[in-house]
Amino acid sequence: ETGVTQSPTHLIKTRGQQVTLRCSSQSGHNTVSWYQQALGQGPQFIFQYYREEENGRGNFPPRVSGLQFPNYSSELNVNALELDDSALYLCASSLLVARGNTDTQYFGPGTRLTVL
Amino acid sequence: KQEVTQIPAALSVPEGENLVLNCSFTDSAIYNLQWFRQDPGKGLTSLLLIQSSQREQTSGRLNASLDKSSGRSTLYIAASQPGDSATYLCAVYILTGGGNKLTFGTGTQLKVEL
Repeated sequence: ETGVTQSPTHLIKTRGQQVTLRCSSQSGHNTVSWYQQALGQGPQFIFQYYREEENGRGNFPPRVSGLQFPNYSSELNVNALELDDSALYLCASSLLVARGNTDTQYFGPGTRLTVL
Repeated sequence: KQEVTQIPAALSVPEGENLVLNCSFTDSAIYNLQWFRQDPGKGLTSLLLIQSSQREQTSGRLNASLDKSSGRSTLYIAASQPGDSATYLCAVYILTGGGNKLTFGTGTQLKVEL
């Protein structure tokens, strides 16, 4: 069974640029959640995708967007990068049998984004 | 709005000591609660998941308890070892839209010294 994988591991961008982060969910899972973890803080929920549709969103601006593909992998896109976007971005996959289910989320190793 | 607090923020103990990490949450309408470990610069490793109908879970030297009515959870680590040094995060599952999300505390940074 393959776990959750994320790419790239590290990324350095400059302000104003755009970035795409990728996540492959664990085999058998249909839901992907993304979290942002700033230095010294706990992870903050960005959004969740279930069967290619957004299924909940945290307090993030529209320039932070996502996508889920038919194979349940996912991308997170950030436009017009700001210094405060520097963080560890974590992806988690889970299996939702039905909406409202609270199945365990399994985390990937994260992508470290640095904005200069 | 659900808020999760972890006390203490940092803890340093000698090897072999038993210790307790505390987690509190403001809204008792949670479903599950999960404890994670995070090594510096790394992702999250799940330690224990307590379902809302349970009061505790055990794995090896770790024991986690949950009291929903008081909004508290504790993680007990027995006979601590230097390899236990890491940040420990508590997170609660709550519903959002048709799915669920984790709300995390800011963590307890543990250092176990020889």
